[in-house]
Amino acid sequence: LAKTTQPISMDSYEGQEVNITCSHNNIATNDYITWYQQFPSQGPRFIIQGYKTKVTNEVASLFIPADRKSSTLSLPRVSLSDTAVYYCLVGDAGSGTYKYIFGTGTRLKVLA
Amino acid sequence: EPEVTQTPSHQVTQMGQEVILRCVPISNHLYFYWYRQILGQKVEFLVSFYNNEISEKSEIFDDQFSVERPDGSNFTLKIRSTKLEDSAMYFCASSEAGASNQPQHFGDGTRLSIL
Repeated sequence: LAKTTQPISMDSYEGQEVNITCSHNNIATNDYITWYQQFPSQGPRFIIQGYKTKVTNEVASLFIPADRKSSTLSLPRVSLSDTAVYYCLVGDAGSGTYKYIFGTGTRLKVLA
Repeated sequence: EPEVTQTPSHQVTQMGQEVILRCVPISNHLYFYWYRQILGQKVEFLVSFYNNEISEKSEIFDDQFSVERPDGSNFTLKIRSTKLEDSAMYFCASSEAGASNQPQHFGDGTRLSIL
């Protein structure tokens, strides 16, 4: 079964770049890596998704090395409203059936 | 922007009772999912559903759980005989297709409290 691990928490100041890494050793060959943001009492919100190399959208970048065993979410200039929990999501087919596995989550706190 | 809606937002139920959690996925989406999140823990996959049948399910999704799409818009999760450890947030999600390059869109969840 895929183990997807992330740092438990990170602190940052407004305006700084934040990089959050997810380790996913057993990601399925054809699977994309998706990152979500979650605020208290809300569902996960899609941020960005990628398969390999680098993907960028209007809010974040995603870096995926060639072996795809990890990925890094980069938030370019965080603000107080970026304080949330960030999760990676990958698919796992290691046990013979396909499952979606969320990472352990990283609690980001942005300070003024 | 279309969204996934879930009802009720909070459900309180006595242990041993049946509970049904309801979801209205995004209208043109074909794949549906249920996840749960125990307080303070990560989100855990329960089940995926396509074409009126279960596609995949996790070890958590045992015989006490069932899912149904009773009509063209609703997607439900039933827990037959609730246990204290079923207390959690339950999230519904939907996607246009089942490939992992189609992001899942989540509702804001139902908080289930078992007494």
